[in-house]
Amino acid sequence: QVHLQLWGAGLLKPSETLSLTCGVSGVSLRGYYWSWIRQSAGKGLEWIAEINHSGSTNYNPSLKSRVTISLDRSTNQFSLKLRSVTAADTAVYYCARKPDSSYAFFDFWGQGSLVTVSS
Amino acid sequence: SYVLTQAPSVSVAPGKTALITCGGNNIGSKNVHWYQQKPGQAPVLVVHDDGDRPSGIPERFSGSNSGNTATLTISRVEAGDEADFYCHVWDNSGGLVVFGGGTKLTVL
Repeated sequence: QVHLQLWGAGLLKPSETLSLTCGVSGVSLRGYYWSWIRQSAGKGLEWIAEINHSGSTNYNPSLKSRVTISLDRSTNQFSLKLRSVTAADTAVYYCARKPDSSYAFFDFWGQGSLVTVSS
Repeated sequence: SYVLTQAPSVSVAPGKTALITCGGNNIGSKNVHWYQQKPGQAPVLVVHDDGDRPSGIPERFSGSNSGNTATLTISRVEAGDEADFYCHVWDNSGGLVVFGGGTKLTVL
């Protein structure tokens, strides 16, 4: 059974770095694309970035300058860092899986983690 | 960048058919995926690759895609179908995932 569990700091101050990790169980990272997606309160879904098992990455151009996505095959985890956060980065953050193609769909999602940016 | 347009809301009576559309330039040439999201929950895939259903999704959910419009059809709508629905494509020219703005389905 595939399960994605994410964790990280839930409260940040402006200018700090958001750091989230998604632990994957029930399947290897190999053969899939792994994404971060966020959703501001009452708003739609915004894709942030993806990485595949070989480390190839794609980023949302609107966030690319502040985002780093990485993976750790030894722990079966992948991570997100978003630098210089502002209140506009307050959102529920999800991690999700796609079968091995950028064109594919998200078939498994983590439970979501609220990150609040406030001074 | 590629833009997907969804109506903000759709209302339908129980037992009737709901049509949720997703507009985009020549979207018929892309693979469209649909997600259902209930309050406080992560999205759930209901249709992928235009019209395929994941296991466990009722046959009442179907999809089509042609020209500039993709459509998610929910037949015999039930109260439990009430949710936000999002379409998704891969923008090959921009190298990114694109989501529609979402449609709130209200069951009257």
